[in-house]
Order: sequence, then structure tokens, then C-alpha cells
Amino acid sequence: AQSVTQPDIHITVSEGASLELRCNYSYGATPYLFWYVQSPGQGLQLLLKYFSGDTLVQGIKGFEAEFKRSQSSFNLRKPSVHWSDAAEYFCAVGPSNTGKLIFGQGTTLQVKP
Amino acid sequence: DSGVTQTPKHLITATGQRVTLRCSPRSGDLSVYWYQQSLDQGLQFLIQYYNGEERAKGNILERFSAQQFPDLHSELNLSSLELGDSALYFCASSFEGEGEAFFGQGTRLTVV
Repeated sequence: AQSVTQPDIHITVSEGASLELRCNYSYGATPYLFWYVQSPGQGLQLLLKYFSGDTLVQGIKGFEAEFKRSQSSFNLRKPSVHWSDAAEYFCAVGPSNTGKLIFGQGTTLQVKP
Repeated sequence: DSGVTQTPKHLITATGQRVTLRCSPRSGDLSVYWYQQSLDQGLQFLIQYYNGEERAKGNILERFSAQQFPDLHSELNLSSLELGDSALYFCASSFEGEGEAFFGQGTRLTVV
């Protein structure tokens, strides 16, 4: 079955600390992988995506993610978290660069001052 | 602002009723996607329309239907509403049948 798992429902980090959000997927074909962010009362905004090539992809707002095929993972990272990064983060997988996606359950990030 | 407009932002209705959610895609986008976000099911893909035609179907209930009009706006119709239909409904659009999707801010539906 095709699925996306985000093991951490809630994560709290201090401002300025590094961040890693985990994402594991199960997908029969070559996956197209995405990370979206949802701020309170807002829609989803695409942070970054991976299709092929370099397994370390850079996104907006200083985020990056690394694709590891052997681990079926696509973890999101940021070296130094800002208070404005507090939001819910969703990992998603699809058959192509499309809006038809399978989303994980999301990870809520809280940032301590 | 993604350029995708959803109306209304909030909707409260009673069980058994029917509601229509509206989505205006970004200018020039031909494809519209509908998603339901609920606490127990998370974000689930419902249906995709491309240039007026249904392109893909996901976990959409038979009580729900959608359409895309010639001006490319889309409507999601939810009927015989149940308490469990309370959720945030997102619309997204992309230029073609494939391509990065931009999400609207959603319509929060509360069924009482």
C-alpha cells in the first residue's frame, strides 16, 4: 500500500537550534516527494520537492531535505530554527509533479524562545 | 497569497443538509484538486478536474460530487451531511494536469 509516515506528531525545539523532521514512505513506483508547511489559518505552501538527481534538495525559507532510497526516507532539515517556523509540516508522495498526493499525518513544530 | 480563492471561509450547517464549496484557481491554471483535512483522516485527496473533465478520483464519498465550469472555477457539493464530514476542505490548482499545485486557504465546514 502507498503511504507516508511522519513518526513525530509534535516536536519542540529552541529558537536557533537545528531541526530534523522525519518522513518515511511506501510507494511502488519511483516516488516524487514533497514537503509542505501549513501555518495556522493558512493553506499549504510548498517548501521543496525531489524528483531525481542530487539527493539533497534545497527549498525555501532555509529548509533542505535528503532523499535516502535505501531507507525510504525524505527527512526535512533546517540548521537554525526561527520562531516564525512554528507551523505544521507535511510530507507527501505522488506519481509525478502533481497535486494528486498522499500526505503524511503531519508534524507540529513548536519553537521555544 | 497563493492566488487560489476559496469561498466561503467558514460554513456551519446541520446534519442532512447540502452545501456547495467554491474554488477559483490561479489565473491560467487548468487543473483543480480537492482535499479534505480532518483530525482522524488527515489530508486526503478527493478529486481532480482538468479543463472541465474529471481527471482523477480519490477517497471521495458518493454523497460528494464536484465539477469544473468553463471559466475553470470548481465547486464541491456535499450532500446528506453527517457530523463526520466536519473538516477543512482545500482546493489546489496547477497549470496543467501535472505541475506544482498551489493551495487555497480552505473552507472550514462544521456540521452540527
